[in-house]
Amino acid sequence: KNEVEQSPQNLTAQEGEFITINCSYSVGISALHWLQQHPGGGIVSLFMLSSGKKKHGRLIATINIQEKHSSLHITASHPRDSAVYICAVFWNTGNQFYFGTGTSLTVIP
Amino acid sequence: GAGVSQSPRYKVAKRGQDVALRCDPISGHVSLFWYQQALGQGPEFLTYFQNEAQLDKSGLPSDRFFAERPEGSVSTLKIQRTQQEDSAVYLCASSLVPGGGFASSYNSPLHFGNGTRLTVT
Repeated sequence: KNEVEQSPQNLTAQEGEFITINCSYSVGISALHWLQQHPGGGIVSLFMLSSGKKKHGRLIATINIQEKHSSLHITASHPRDSAVYICAVFWNTGNQFYFGTGTSLTVIP
Repeated sequence: GAGVSQSPRYKVAKRGQDVALRCDPISGHVSLFWYQQALGQGPEFLTYFQNEAQLDKSGLPSDRFFAERPEGSVSTLKIQRTQQEDSAVYLCASSLVPGGGFASSYNSPLHFGNGTRLTVT
């Protein structure tokens, strides 16, 4: 099933580069989360959005409800940003999240 | 503790054995989700509890999977007669608000545990 699609699947960047990860979804949602998963499985919630834009440090998340699209931007990327970034959406109806398959980011020094 | 705690961290089971995976959510969190994550894939929904009520178990792959949260806090995911295809990381997440959705008046992110890696041999 592909209710949530992320791109790219894999991304390699040089330290300092500006990075964009995209998420598209197919139905109406009440919330979208961006998550960061490090090797070993730990997942951290970065942002929760239902509209507009949020910023936290070097991370910026935007969502366009009409276009059913969200982006996660990382400015001045750093090797410690290397992780899998996952988009998860919560449907307007139902009780579950649907997750994208993740974008594996590697930032090279 | 301050976060979601899962145990055991790793579990190796022989095919046919029963296993029980535990999740301690953040105290006071209403919502609790279980997810299954196969290697290289995003998490797949298994089941959702609002307090002690299991409101959605549509993601449980078979009747060998059973989850409970009897007092609305700790939850246990049980897998009976494990099969090799059950090998995965099992993630638990909790949220302060019902359903994990967004309430315009406050922000309530999902909090994940580190998962239990189950290997069935």
